[in-house]
Amino acid sequence: EIVLTQSPGTLSLSPGERATLSCRASQSVSSSYLAWYQQKPGQAPRLLIYGASSRATGIPDRFSGSGSGTDFTLTISRLEPEDFAVYYCQQYGSSQRTFGQGTKVEIK
Amino acid sequence: QVQLVQSGAEVKKPGASVKVSCKASGYTFTSYGISWVRQAPGQGLEWMGWISAYNGNTNYAQKLQGRVTMTTDTSTSTAYMELRSLRSDDTAVYYCARRGSYYCLDYWGQGTLVTVSS
Repeated sequence: EIVLTQSPGTLSLSPGERATLSCRASQSVSSSYLAWYQQKPGQAPRLLIYGASSRATGIPDRFSGSGSGTDFTLTISRLEPEDFAVYYCQQYGSSQRTFGQGTKVEIK
Repeated sequence: QVQLVQSGAEVKKPGASVKVSCKASGYTFTSYGISWVRQAPGQGLEWMGWISAYNGNTNYAQKLQGRVTMTTDTSTSTAYMELRSLRSDDTAVYYCARRGSYYCLDYWGQGTLVTVSS
C-alpha cells in the first residue's frame, strides 16, 4: 500500500498569502495519478486537481498542482476567505487507493 | 447535473450490519464506477473500495475484505455498500463518489452517518 504523508499538518496564513502544501508518497505514484481534494466542515470533499496538475471543472486558477514520482505540491497563489479548509491528496495509481492525512489551512 | 443522493443516518449495535444506498442521476450510470470513502469523527478520509457500474467488478480495501460488499442496481441507478460485523470504530460518515473519466472522484454524495453503539 502506498502511504501518503502530507505536510505541514496545519498551515496558518492570512487572506492574500500564498499556500504551499506537500504530499509525499512512500513509493512512486503511477502515471501521476495524484488528486487533491478540499473539504470544509460538514461538507463532502470536492475535487480540485487530478493527474497531479490538471484543474477540475470550475476550479479557480489560483489553485495549481505540480510534481511527479513521490513528491507533489498543491499551491494556492492568493488565499481567499473561502479557501480556508482541509486539503487531502489521494493516489489512484495502485489498486489500493490511499489518502493523505490532510493539511488544515487556517486563518492566522 | 450530476447528483449522488445517499440514504439517511443509521444507528446500529456492534455485530450488526448496515447497508447504505447511493442514487445517481444526471449521467449514464453504467459509464462510471462508484467508490466508497469513510471518515471517522474528526479524522481523515479512508478509501473503502470501488465497484464498476458497468460489469459489477469490485476492488475492496484490504483491511475491509470479508466485511464489505458493494453492489449496484442498474435499473434504478443505485449503488449499495454493506458493511457487516460492525464495531465501534466503524462509526463514521460514509460517502459515495463517482469515479470519473480520469479515475479520480469527481462527484460526491452528501454522506451518511453510521453510528455503532451498544
